[in-house]
Amino acid sequence: QKEVEQNSGPLSVPEGAIASLNCTYSDRGSQSFFWYRQYSGKSPELIMSIYSNGDKEDGRFTAQLNKASQYVSLLIRDSQPSDSATYLCAVNPEERVIIFGKGTRLHILP
Amino acid sequence: GAVVSQHPSRVICKSGTSVKIECRSLDFQATTMFWYRQFPKQSLMLMATSNEGSKATYEQGVEKDKFLINHASLTLSTLTVTSAHPEDSSFYICRSGGGGTDTQYFGPGTRLTVL
Repeated sequence: QKEVEQNSGPLSVPEGAIASLNCTYSDRGSQSFFWYRQYSGKSPELIMSIYSNGDKEDGRFTAQLNKASQYVSLLIRDSQPSDSATYLCAVNPEERVIIFGKGTRLHILP
Repeated sequence: GAVVSQHPSRVICKSGTSVKIECRSLDFQATTMFWYRQFPKQSLMLMATSNEGSKATYEQGVEKDKFLINHASLTLSTLTVTSAHPEDSSFYICRSGGGGTDTQYFGPGTRLTVL
């Protein structure tokens, strides 16, 4: 069974520090990887996608992918209270299928 | 970017009522729509996948006669919760599919409260 694993948290990080969110997946053939942010009571919002090994940076966000280790992470630099949310890792193991992790709750401490 | 809308955003109804939720792709054609349910502080749960012009595919444990899905056009998918009960109270969210994986956008969600 294809799975995406995340630590549920909560992960507490001081304001201004780097928040590191991790995700592992089971399907070695997966090609596309996504990070979504979900605020309480709202639907998920796509914030990053990554397709090849290495780092991808977008503003304060950096996604890191290691296909050999089946590991994808999201770094948030200069964490702000507004970054407090649940972050969902998602993996595309085959066409038209996306598997979501259960999410990691991130709490930025002011 | 692409936008997916949902209507209504919030609905409160009496037990036994049927409730229809609409999900529209506004500037692209969504050949596939995914329907999720999310209870408070819980993770997303995929309920079913609808494909334009064909029957929906339901996940294990989801009653197809209770959650009716129709995907009549490339821009509209509907979920009808039939004879709703308080345990159906949840946050229902649709997500577009089809085309590239970057077209996977969530609708804003519909919060259903059944009294």
